[in-house]
Amino acid sequence: AQSVTQLGSHVSVSEGALVLLRCNYSSSVPPYLFWYVQYPNQGLQLLLKYTSAATLVKGINGFEAEFKKSETSFHLTKPSAHMSDAAEYFCAVSDSGGYQKVTFGTGTKLQVIP
Amino acid sequence: NAGVTQTPKFQVLKTGQSMTLQCAQDMNHEYMSWYRQDPGMGLRLIHYSVGAGITDQGEVPNGYNVSRSTTEDFPLRLLSAAPSQTSVYFCASSPPLGQSTDTQYFGPGTRLTVL
Repeated sequence: AQSVTQLGSHVSVSEGALVLLRCNYSSSVPPYLFWYVQYPNQGLQLLLKYTSAATLVKGINGFEAEFKKSETSFHLTKPSAHMSDAAEYFCAVSDSGGYQKVTFGTGTKLQVIP
Repeated sequence: NAGVTQTPKFQVLKTGQSMTLQCAQDMNHEYMSWYRQDPGMGLRLIHYSVGAGITDQGEVPNGYNVSRSTTEDFPLRLLSAAPSQTSVYFCASSPPLGQSTDTQYFGPGTRLTVL
């Protein structure tokens, strides 16, 4: 069965600094990988997805993630943090080829310090 | 488009009571899913559906029933509520992966407390 591990339940960065949120996956088949963001008291929003078309995936709000098969990683980055990036971020994986059976990580709360 | 709507937003139940959480989408999506979110555990899949009349179990299906009689609606039924079912419940819908507009849309959630 597929799974993802997010390293660090809380990450703090200064405004303008690099954002790096870590995610490692485990899957017996080529995976589909996703990053979601959740703002307080809201549902989740898809940031970006990897479906094997390109290893560097660009998403919304300036985020991107790189699929590294050798490291089984799919880390999320953003060059310069903004106060509005403060939220909880979830890495997720699907080996079904669709959104109907997505397994989520435990989440990383990002704090942006002014 | 209203997107994915969920009702109610908040609900308090007593142990043993039953209730239905409603979920509807107006985007003609084939796929719909129910998740529960608990602190420190991320989202866990309860049940999902790939089309009207087709449902299947996810990771944590015990204590919950679903049906999908129409494309638009995907209600989640709690048969006999237990305190362990206290959680925030999210419904989501999506077209099949690979379509040009494919993304997974989440509803705003239902916060359920079972006493």
